[in-house]
Amino acid sequence: EDQVTQSPEALRLQEGESSSLNCSYTVSGLRGLFWYRQDPGKGPEFLFTLYSAGEEKEKERLKATLTKKESFLHITAPKPEDSATYLCAVQASSGNTPLVFGKGTRLSVIA
Amino acid sequence: KAGVTQTPRYLIKTRGQQVTLSCSPISGHRSVSWYQQTPGQGLQFLFEYFSETQRNKGNFPGRFSGRQFSNSRSEMNVSTLELGDSALYLCASSTNSQGAGNTIYFGEGSWLTVV
Repeated sequence: EDQVTQSPEALRLQEGESSSLNCSYTVSGLRGLFWYRQDPGKGPEFLFTLYSAGEEKEKERLKATLTKKESFLHITAPKPEDSATYLCAVQASSGNTPLVFGKGTRLSVIA
Repeated sequence: KAGVTQTPRYLIKTRGQQVTLSCSPISGHRSVSWYQQTPGQGLQFLFEYFSETQRNKGNFPGRFSGRQFSNSRSEMNVSTLELGDSALYLCASSTNSQGAGNTIYFGEGSWLTVV
């Protein structure tokens, strides 16, 4: 069974304090790994898609990386507006399977 | 380009009633998926529709159903509501079926409270 585990569950950072969020996955062949950001009361907002180990993508203060077993979302010099829940999801390459989501990491950035 | 639109945004229903939620996908997207999000379980896949056909179904009871129209708009229905159905219901659309590896884009969700 495809599984996604995100850690930590919650993370509190001071403004400017860089850190990383982890997404460990077990999937029978990876078709894609997705990162989303979700603000309270809103739907998830797409951030990145990664397809193969070694791939990296960046957007502003965020950088996502992928290995064969996990993905990291690196946040460099975060600002209070980066506070949100970050969700990771995987899609298996076998069959017509939907995305499987982790439970997310709730990030709080304090000014 | 307009995003995924869900209506209504908030609703309160009584146990035993039924509810219908609506979703308009991004223009040109033919796949619509529905997810249930609760604090304890996270995002759980309900079903996916592509070109008016159900492509995939999650592990939910038959009280949860959906359909897709020829214009790609979708509705989901929950009958005989239970307290545990209280959740944020999210609709997502993509150009092709989820199985093709396409990115899915979410709407703002419909908050359902069952009392």
